[in-house]
Order: sequence, then structure tokens, then C-alpha cells
Amino acid sequence: AQSVTQLGSHVSVSEGALVLLRCNYSSSVPPYLFWYVQYPNQGLQLLLKYTTGATLVKGINGFEAEFKKSETSFHLTKPSAHMSDAAEYFCAVIPYNTDKLIFGTGTRLQVFP
Amino acid sequence: DAGVTQSPTHLIKTRGQQVTLRCSPKSGHDTVSWYQQALGQGPQFIFQYYEEEERQRGNFPDRFSGHQFPNYSSELNVNALLLGDSALYLCASSSKQGMQETQYFGPGTRLLVL
Repeated sequence: AQSVTQLGSHVSVSEGALVLLRCNYSSSVPPYLFWYVQYPNQGLQLLLKYTTGATLVKGINGFEAEFKKSETSFHLTKPSAHMSDAAEYFCAVIPYNTDKLIFGTGTRLQVFP
Repeated sequence: DAGVTQSPTHLIKTRGQQVTLRCSPKSGHDTVSWYQQALGQGPQFIFQYYEEEERQRGNFPDRFSGHQFPNYSSELNVNALLLGDSALYLCASSSKQGMQETQYFGPGTRLLVL
């Protein structure tokens, strides 16, 4: 069965530091890949997605992610963290031939001044 | 352009009761999916509705049922509530079922079962 693994349930960075949130998926066929962000007591907001084509995907708020098929990874990065980036981040996949999102367990990002 | 809306925002029920949650999709969307997000977990897929029919279902018991109306809005019904049903219920809408289109989420309904 398709699954998503997010390494690190909590990540803490200083304001201005690099943000790296890790995501690996299991699939013999590359799925569609997504990153969503969830602020406290809110729903999910799409940050970026990969379907086909260019493997480096740019999203909102300065985030980007790179699809690496050989590593089955889709890590999320941002060069310089802002206080407003503090939130829960979810990696998700839509397996081939389905429409259901399968989410990882999430990574809580804390940003310190 | 209104996004995905859900009602109510919060709900408190007791064990054994039934609950109905409502969702209106984003304008132009015809497909609605429901997810359950327990505290500290990622969302889990419940089911998806398109053309007023359930098209896909996750690993949830028959106590969870749904409906889609001609205007594409949807309801999620949960019967015989258990304590473990306490969660944030998220609705997501998309267009063109079967095309793996991006799903846009509403703010959720937080259900507490006592």
C-alpha cells in the first residue's frame, strides 16, 4: 500500500535559517506529490504540488520542493525562515489511478527569533 | 470567489448520537472528499463523492455515510458516535473526478464526542 513518511515530527529553526522538512513516499509508480500547511485551528492550505515535468517545484511563501525519483523523496525547503512559517506541514501523495490523498503524520515547524 | 465552506465549526455530541456535517465546494468544483484528522495525526481519507455517488472509500465503517446534492454540496453523516470519532473533519473539493486534480480544503468541523 502507498505510504508517506515524514522524518521528524518536530523541527526547530532560528528566524532567517534554512528550513528543511523531509518526506519520502513508497510507490513503484511515481505518484502526484503535495505539501500542505496547517495553521493552528485551521484547515489545510496547499503550498505546492508535483505532477509531471520539472522536478523542482516552487510554491507559495518562498517554499520549494524537489522530486527525486531515485530517492523516492520530496523534501520541502525554504532558504530563510520567518516567524510566520511556524505551523504544521503535511506531505501527501495521490497514488496512481486514485483520487484520495494519503498524508504523512506531519512535521511541526517552530521558528525562534 | 468563495472557497470551501463547512458548517458547523464546532460540535459537541454524546456517545450513540448521530451527527451531520455540511460542506459547500469551491466555485467550479464538482467533487467533494471528506477526511478525518485526529489530534496530532495527518488527515485520513473517508470517502469521495462525484455526480451524487460515492466513488471511493477509505477504511471507515458503515457508520460513516455521505451524500452529494445536485449543487455539488455534500453532507457527512456519522451514526452511533464513539469517543474515538472525536476529530477535525475536513472537506476538500476538486474538479474532474478521476483526474487527480488538486484538492482544496475547508476550515473543518471540530467534533467532540463525550
